[in-house]
Amino acid sequence: NAGVTQTPKFRVLKTGQSMTLLCAQDMNHEYMYWYRQDPGMGLRLIHYSVGEGTTAKGEVPDGYNVSRLKKQNFLLGLESAAPSQTSVYFCASSYSDSQPQHFGDGTRLSIL
Amino acid sequence: AQSVTQPDIHITVSEGASLELRCNYSYGATPYLFWYVQSPGQGLQLLLKYFSGDTLVQGIKGFEAEFKRSQSSFNLRKPSVHWSDAAEYFCAVGYMDTGRRALTFGSGTRLQVQP
Repeated sequence: NAGVTQTPKFRVLKTGQSMTLLCAQDMNHEYMYWYRQDPGMGLRLIHYSVGEGTTAKGEVPDGYNVSRLKKQNFLLGLESAAPSQTSVYFCASSYSDSQPQHFGDGTRLSIL
Repeated sequence: AQSVTQPDIHITVSEGASLELRCNYSYGATPYLFWYVQSPGQGLQLLLKYFSGDTLVQGIKGFEAEFKRSQSSFNLRKPSVHWSDAAEYFCAVGYMDTGRRALTFGSGTRLQVQP
């Protein structure tokens, strides 16, 4: 049972570089989410998707873009990384907004 | 806007003692509520959930939570804490009668267990 898989697990970037974080789920969930977790701030929603081909902004969307070309994948992109984007990023998925979310193990991203 | 408050940033209890973690949410007619636990370096794991019906819900690992609409609270309890319960705990809320299709998480409570 893979559940929700995030790649990579760790990454160090220089300011201005770009990268894409990949989230894959094998539970046939409609909803997928990207969060960032910073000390003392809990989880903050970046973007989410309610189905293939759809995306929506969360609480902290600036500086990030997402795509949901396939139902099982949800990509998070940083076009020009900034030190303020140093964080742990979590992907989650669920059948619907009222059903429990299943989380990946996170991606630790450091931007120098 | 919906919000969740976990008033205790850090709690320390002795092994075998009882535990209560507090969670308050902003008012909403039909909330649904979750408690998650996060061990270091891991993702979040669901402990329990409330949608409707019985206000006392049972979860995994011996945890339970009580929904109190009058107090806008959903506190997590465990009668006897084990050392393996040391982790960070997050409360989350969503509402069925709004257009928002995502949960709002509290800032978390870190639990330390003393031997």
